[in-house]
Amino acid sequence: LAKTTQPISMDSYEGQEVNITCSHNNIATNDYITWYQQFPSQGPRFIIQGYKTKVTNEVASLFIPADRKSSTLSLPRVSLSDTAVYYCLVGLLSNYQLIWGAGTKLIIKP
Amino acid sequence: KAGVTQTPRYLIKTRGQQVTLSCSPISGHRSVSWYQQTPGQGLQFLFEYFSETQRNKGNFPGRFSGRQFSNSRSEMNVSTLELGDSALYLCASSRRPGQPDGYTFGSGTRLTVV
Repeated sequence: LAKTTQPISMDSYEGQEVNITCSHNNIATNDYITWYQQFPSQGPRFIIQGYKTKVTNEVASLFIPADRKSSTLSLPRVSLSDTAVYYCLVGLLSNYQLIWGAGTKLIIKP
Repeated sequence: KAGVTQTPRYLIKTRGQQVTLSCSPISGHRSVSWYQQTPGQGLQFLFEYFSETQRNKGNFPGRFSGRQFSNSRSEMNVSTLELGDSALYLCASSRRPGQPDGYTFGSGTRLTVV
């Protein structure tokens, strides 16, 4: 049974690179790994999605090793506005279910 | 384009009452999912509808139900409210089910049960 595990919280400072790792054992070959960001009093919003190796967009990078048992969301040069909860999830192509992690509360300090 | 609209934004109900929440998806999106979010439990999946049919269901008691209309708008209903049902209820729409990068969430309905 697929499950995602991520740290409950992390702290960092403005201008630093932040890496949040998510463990997802037992995912199938074609399941996608996706990350969402949530600010207080708002719904989550899509950040990035990957299948294998590395994906980069204007907001973040996603690193997925060959065994796909984990993934790492990388936020370059964070600012105070990156303070949010970050969710890792796996999309199961077998039944279209989404397996959400518990979320990582990221606090950026000045 | 208009986003996902959830109404009402805030709601206060008494134990034992029932409540109906509404979600209007983005135009062209035919899949609507509902989530319950509490501080201690994170995002908990309730159910997903696509073309008026429930496609997936989470582990919630039968007091939680939903439906989807032909225009893709969705409602969820909670009967016999309990204090533990106090939460932020989020709706997300997508063009089709199981599209992890395609979900757009509304701002949620904050339900307080007293």
